[in-house]
Formats: sequence, C-alpha cells, structure tokens
Amino acid sequence: DAMVIQNPRYQVTQFGKPVTLSCSQTLNHNVMYWYQQKSSQAPKLLFHYYDKDFNNEADTPDNFQSRRPNTSFCFLDIRSPGLGDAAMYLCATRKGTGANVLTFGAGSRLTVL
Amino acid sequence: AQTVTQSQPEMSVQEAETVTLSCTYDTSESDYYLFWYKQPPSRQMILVIRQEAYKQQNATENRFSVNFQKAAKSFSLKISDSQLGDAAMYFCAYRSMNSGNTPLVFGKGTRLSVIA
Repeated sequence: DAMVIQNPRYQVTQFGKPVTLSCSQTLNHNVMYWYQQKSSQAPKLLFHYYDKDFNNEADTPDNFQSRRPNTSFCFLDIRSPGLGDAAMYLCATRKGTGANVLTFGAGSRLTVL
Repeated sequence: AQTVTQSQPEMSVQEAETVTLSCTYDTSESDYYLFWYKQPPSRQMILVIRQEAYKQQNATENRFSVNFQKAAKSFSLKISDSQLGDAAMYFCAYRSMNSGNTPLVFGKGTRLSVIA
C-alpha cells in the first residue's frame, strides 16, 4: 500500500546529541512537511518542501534542519536537542496539484534525556 | 493570518449517541478548504472529512457530517452512532485555496472519549 513511513517510531537521545528522523513515501507526492507536536497540542509546522524548494517557517529554530535528497525521502536533523525539543514529529505529504489532503506518517516520538 | 479555534478541549459521548465538536475560524479569504482530522492514541492522523468553502452543501462521510456556516465562520463536526473506535483527538484545520503552497492551520484539538 502506498503510504508515509517514519523511522524510527521512538527515539531517545541525550541532551545535545544530534538526531536524525526520516520520512519516506511511496505516493510520489511532491510536497513534504515536517510538523512538531507536543503533548495535547496542535501540530506546529517546522518547514516543508515543494519539490526541491525548501520553505522554512519564520519561528523554526536554527537547531532544526531538513534534507530532501529525492522525491521519496525527507530527513529532519536536530543538531543539538534540548529538553524542550521532546515531542512527536510528524511527516506529511501532499500532491501539489489540485489535491489538498495531507497524508500523515505515524510519527516519531523523540525523548531527550 | 488565519486562525482556527476549537473551544472544547475535551468531550465525551455515550456509545451509539451523537456528539458535535465545534470549530470556528478567522479569515479574510473567500476561497479555502476546511478539514477535520482524527488522531487516535499512538496512531497516525487521518482525514475524517473535508469541505470546500465554495460549496454550500455540507459534506458527509458515513457517520460523520459537518455543519458549515460560512458567514459565521463555523465548521462543526457531528459524529452519529458513536463507536468506541471514534475515541481520538480531533483537529479542525484550514487551508487557503488562493496559493498552491500554503500549509494547513490547525486548531488545538478536541479529545473525544467514548463511553461504553
């Protein structure tokens, strides 16, 4: 089945130790999003790619970076995780032409010790 | 900037009963999309229902229907014949139709509990 897959589902890291979260999709969608969702809060958009064009939200900290080497994969790099970065990170995709429904992955839950 | 407000942090409903979740939004645009997404515990977020603002008819998907009041900027979700599997966090979301690249704006969510 076509889907959005996030790895790992659970990640534990130490304060300041870099971490990379991955997202892959078989939908051939040209738009990919990274959201941060803290407990009982709405997802907060960090950045998104429209094809290779990278769009960073104005309030996304520099500590968060992203890479999209090809259509299928997108990575979220947290260079120096702090305790406040503990959250669920959601990847979502969308077909850029016409369709407006986002397809979400199951999320990666990050714990920072 | 658009905002989405969900005024009910938590709701509960008896199994087989009907519940309505509220959502209001603020926008100066006339063309947009509205969505309800469901996020079960530890599971991925999925689309429940969507509405195009230019359509007057309320969207319906099986037991889920919306009451879209464009003038009032209200977009409530009605769940009929509630089932245990409906227990989840529900997010109302807005997306502009004017630009191909605008992201979703989410409300803060409503946690729905279903009582057996």
